[in-house]
Amino acid sequence: EIVLTQSPGTLSLSPGERATLSCRASQTLRSNSLAWYQQKPGQAPCLLIYGASSRATGIPDRFSGSGSGTDFSLTISRLETEDFAVYYCQQYGDSPYTFGQGTKLEIK
Amino acid sequence: EVQVVESGGGLVKPGGSLRLSCVGSGFTFSSYAMSWIRQAPGKGLEWVSSISSSNSYIYHADSVKGRFTISRDNANNALYLQMNSLSVDDTAIYYCARVDGLGWIDPWGQGALVTVSS
Repeated sequence: EIVLTQSPGTLSLSPGERATLSCRASQTLRSNSLAWYQQKPGQAPCLLIYGASSRATGIPDRFSGSGSGTDFSLTISRLETEDFAVYYCQQYGDSPYTFGQGTKLEIK
Repeated sequence: EVQVVESGGGLVKPGGSLRLSCVGSGFTFSSYAMSWIRQAPGKGLEWVSSISSSNSYIYHADSVKGRFTISRDNANNALYLQMNSLSVDDTAIYYCARVDGLGWIDPWGQGALVTVSS
């Protein structure tokens, strides 16, 4: 089973700042098979990024994904108030599909 | 609008059973794999079960193997999760989810709360 490790556990930033979240896989992911999700309190997660760098429909371009192999990142270029939430990465390159433990992005 | 909607959550005693249902709309249900993913209170996401579009492939996490059974009815755009021998560790929000493309999840349902308590 591929283990995904997200860092940091909590990230404290201010609106307007740049956020970089990391996701490291225990094995190389085939075909950059990595997705990112955002979860706000009391809501279901929603898809942000798939294929490591492709934005899902309707996702603002301040969200970008990058990386390959075992190291991936999600960058939010200029934080807006609604971006403060928990973010999860997920790999689908190998069964069973797995999630990272999450990064909480909080307002400083 | 593409959406999935769960039903069937509730309070059940340890050792009891519960069946979750999910109905998909706005897409060709029979063309997509579907999954159940759960989230215990204050915790992260755990992939529970998956089923391929044609029922030919089924996956259950080790934590639920032998107790949970995933199934689908493509004629009625429905997905099910039969949960038996429930324990307090199964308390969670259970999300129905469409597996899109090569394996990402989109969309997610709003979630069904399952509480196992005496």
